[in-house]
Amino acid sequence: DAMVIQNPRYQVTQFGKPVTLSCSQTLNHNVMYWYQQKSSQAPKLLFHYYDKDFNNEADTPDNFQSRRPNTSFCFLDIRSPGLGDAAMYLCATSRGLGSRYNEQFFGPGTRLTVL
Amino acid sequence: TQLLEQSPQFLSIQEGENLTVYCNSSSVFSSLQWYRQEPGEGPVLLVTVVTGGEVKKLKRLTFQFGDARKDSSLHITAAQPGDTGLYLCAGKNAGNMLTFGGGTRLMVKP
Repeated sequence: DAMVIQNPRYQVTQFGKPVTLSCSQTLNHNVMYWYQQKSSQAPKLLFHYYDKDFNNEADTPDNFQSRRPNTSFCFLDIRSPGLGDAAMYLCATSRGLGSRYNEQFFGPGTRLTVL
Repeated sequence: TQLLEQSPQFLSIQEGENLTVYCNSSSVFSSLQWYRQEPGEGPVLLVTVVTGGEVKKLKRLTFQFGDARKDSSLHITAAQPGDTGLYLCAGKNAGNMLTFGGGTRLMVKP
């Protein structure tokens, strides 16, 4: 089945220690998104890629970076995690942008713990 | 900034009861998606509504998009414990970015 895969599902890191989260997709979608979801809150968009074009949300901290080496993979790098960065990180994909019929499909998420 | 207000935030009901979740905004959305999210998992897309006044049914779930495409509702008939979860509405603007509502946490007790 075509899907969005996130690894690892659970990640523990230390305060200030860089961490990378991974997302891959078999849907061959052009757009990949990263969301942050804190406990009991709605997902918050961090940034997205349309193909290789990177689009950062205005309020995404500089501490968060992303890479998309090819269509299938996208990475979220947190350069110096703080305690406030502990959250569920969700990857999503969509076929394209601009059409109201383009739906976003989410991966299972990576829960990040910062010690 | 487009905002989506979702109500109620929490709902605890007995198996067999009916319920309605509301999603309201002062902004117009090109489409609106409903997701269900279980603890420790990502949101799973339930339905997308696109046309004002559209009604879609998914077994015991009925989704409606307001005529003006500013609001939506989710009605569950004869709720079951398996319906327990976090229900999220998300409105899509022309750029395909989603604005999420705050979510409704539903618990259906046997």
